Amino acid sequence: RKEVEQDPGPFNVPEGATVAFNCTYSNSASQSFFWYRQDCRKEPKLLMSVYSSGNEDGRFTAQLNRASQYISLLIRDSKLSDSATYLCVVNPGDYKLSFGAGTTVTVRA
Amino acid sequence: DGGITQSPKYLFRKEGQNVTLSCEQNLNHDAMYWYRQDPGQGLRLIYYSQIVNDFQKGDIAEGYSVSREKKESFPLTVTSAQKNPTAFYLCASCGVEGRSTEAFFGQGTRLTVV
Repeated sequence: RKEVEQDPGPFNVPEGATVAFNCTYSNSASQSFFWYRQDCRKEPKLLMSVYSSGNEDGRFTAQLNRASQYISLLIRDSKLSDSATYLCVVNPGDYKLSFGAGTTVTVRA
Repeated sequence: DGGITQSPKYLFRKEGQNVTLSCEQNLNHDAMYWYRQDPGQGLRLIYYSQIVNDFQKGDIAEGYSVSREKKESFPLTVTSAQKNPTAFYLCASCGVEGRSTEAFFGQGTRLTVV
């Protein structure tokens, strides 16, 4: 089983829609979790950190479910500029970051 | 300004050549990483280092080598033994004084074998 797994998508949604996707992790000792956004041919950029049960930043909400070992990302009122690949990153505490393969979101006009 | 810098941005290599990719950070981060990304795929770990003078192999270390002589620097050498080196390489760093932080990424180096 992979350490971090994501639904690859793609999620094709119209502008204004809500889209949500999950990331599951295998190491129950994991302490910190992050969502990164990556645009084509660019480096990943931090979108949100998730240290406790969740985090909200504007249209973006991240939830952590420790019992089921997953984190989710929800995007409300999608914009065209939200089209990107969203990477889930898990830090099990030993500095070895684990990445999901990314979830592709495409927002259409 | 603090940050992590990779160079060069684009690199062309001939068959049989070794090339070295540079990664420097001034964030006082303990850990540094090298990842490889192929089209349509996620990031795969090549090597990582938690402290100076120590590094560990990642999932795809064959054909690569690294050094960590200084906290700020973690260069990656792509050797001629790497059979398919054309890819996008990302360097990252994180962690201060034993505390977990988010990872900061360099802008990436796109390596092409010609």
